[in-house]
Amino acid sequence: AQKVTQAQTEISVVEKEDVTLDCVYETRDTTYYLFWYKQPPSGELVFLIRRNSFDEQNEISGRYSWNFQKSTSSFNFTITASQVVDSAVYFCALRAYTGGFKTIFGAGTRLFVKA
Amino acid sequence: EAGVTQFPSHSVIEKGQTVTLRCDPISGHDNLYWYRRVMGKEIKFLLHFVKESKQDESGMPNNRFLAERTGGTYSTLKVQPAELEDSGVYFCASSSTGGRYEQYFGPGTRLTVT
Repeated sequence: AQKVTQAQTEISVVEKEDVTLDCVYETRDTTYYLFWYKQPPSGELVFLIRRNSFDEQNEISGRYSWNFQKSTSSFNFTITASQVVDSAVYFCALRAYTGGFKTIFGAGTRLFVKA
Repeated sequence: EAGVTQFPSHSVIEKGQTVTLRCDPISGHDNLYWYRRVMGKEIKFLLHFVKESKQDESGMPNNRFLAERTGGTYSTLKVQPAELEDSGVYFCASSSTGGRYEQYFGPGTRLTVT
């Protein structure tokens, strides 16, 4: 079975704080892709990052960074120096051959960044 | 290259009415997926087309939902009759056969049933 777990339902931080969103996944496939999406109040899904199962290098993009650890099946997302505009729901997602490549989303973590 | 487009962007209908959502995938993409996020819950898979054929419709909630993809191009998702719990955001995504790990999402249609 494939599953994505985002244990944090809501997180509230004050602007400029760092915040880490947790994601744990399950799959038996050896080849798979992991994603993070942002859903702002306007509703659209904004693609943030894709990571394939063979690439465990961490990635940094501006204030965003991702920590992929296959040993713990985790793909955590950190926002450094958070801003009010970061307030949104963030979804971690998995895609693999088993399951026909449909996207399996986590439940999402709602992030509130207060000024 | 145009991305995935969805129409309308927002629809407000009354309970019992019918609504049809449309998705235009990226040109040449054989795979088309429908997802939805209702009532602030997780985003869930509805169904998957390969060209005009339904590959997987295991996520369709009930027979009030009908998806079609005539000619293997655009797809429609009809809800008839709509219920209050159908309110949410409906997303469409497409991918090519060779790049099934890459799915490109549309902007979504926000459906409000009153």
